[in-house]
Amino acid sequence: GAVVSQHPSWVICKSGTSVKIECRSLDFQATTMFWYRQFPKQSLMLMATSNEGSKATYEQGVEKDKFLINHASLTLSTLTVTSAHPEDSSFYICSAPPPWVETQYFGPGTRLLVL
Amino acid sequence: DAKTTQPTSMDCAEGRAANLPCNHSTISGNEYVYWYRQIHSQGPQYIIHGLKNNETNEMASLIITEDRKSSTLILPHATLRDTAVYYCIVRVASSGGYQKVTFGTGTKLQVIP
Repeated sequence: GAVVSQHPSWVICKSGTSVKIECRSLDFQATTMFWYRQFPKQSLMLMATSNEGSKATYEQGVEKDKFLINHASLTLSTLTVTSAHPEDSSFYICSAPPPWVETQYFGPGTRLLVL
Repeated sequence: DAKTTQPTSMDCAEGRAANLPCNHSTISGNEYVYWYRQIHSQGPQYIIHGLKNNETNEMASLIITEDRKSSTLILPHATLRDTAVYYCIVRVASSGGYQKVTFGTGTKLQVIP
């Protein structure tokens, strides 16, 4: 089955630093990937759509200059949280759609804690 | 995407069938019903989807009413590992799943020993 991986699985950083999260499709190519954020006891909220070779599409209220997305290849999308602050602490999840099914597969998530 | 309504939480005894309802009265003719689940601290997992016919796979069964305004996800023999939040989502299907998935609040299923 399709596998989507994320790295790292968890990260702790100091306030003001930048953190990069990777999302990889391991056995298929994905021209589109999606990034979600989930705060404790809340549902997943879509942040942005990552498009290979072009700019990402951000959802309303998501700061594109703070959450930089780079989809440099057909198997890799990265989310960089720039100048992270404690309120950015959250569970970040990516997803990618394999071409042979009408659904998406989700990564295991990355837990970010900003001190 | 059509809006869905699910109970906030449900309990189910281990070994019994878990029946999770979902209302989607504004569903359009070209929208599918999808189910995902999220086990604590993990990414969501696709379970099943259907248009109007009942569907079954190795994980679950999906029963969609004839008017398509509601559906039920059935886990035939719930185990403790099925404890999770279950999301019912209605959306247009597309090859490669390029449509974004919008999550509601889901149903928290607690399987009890």
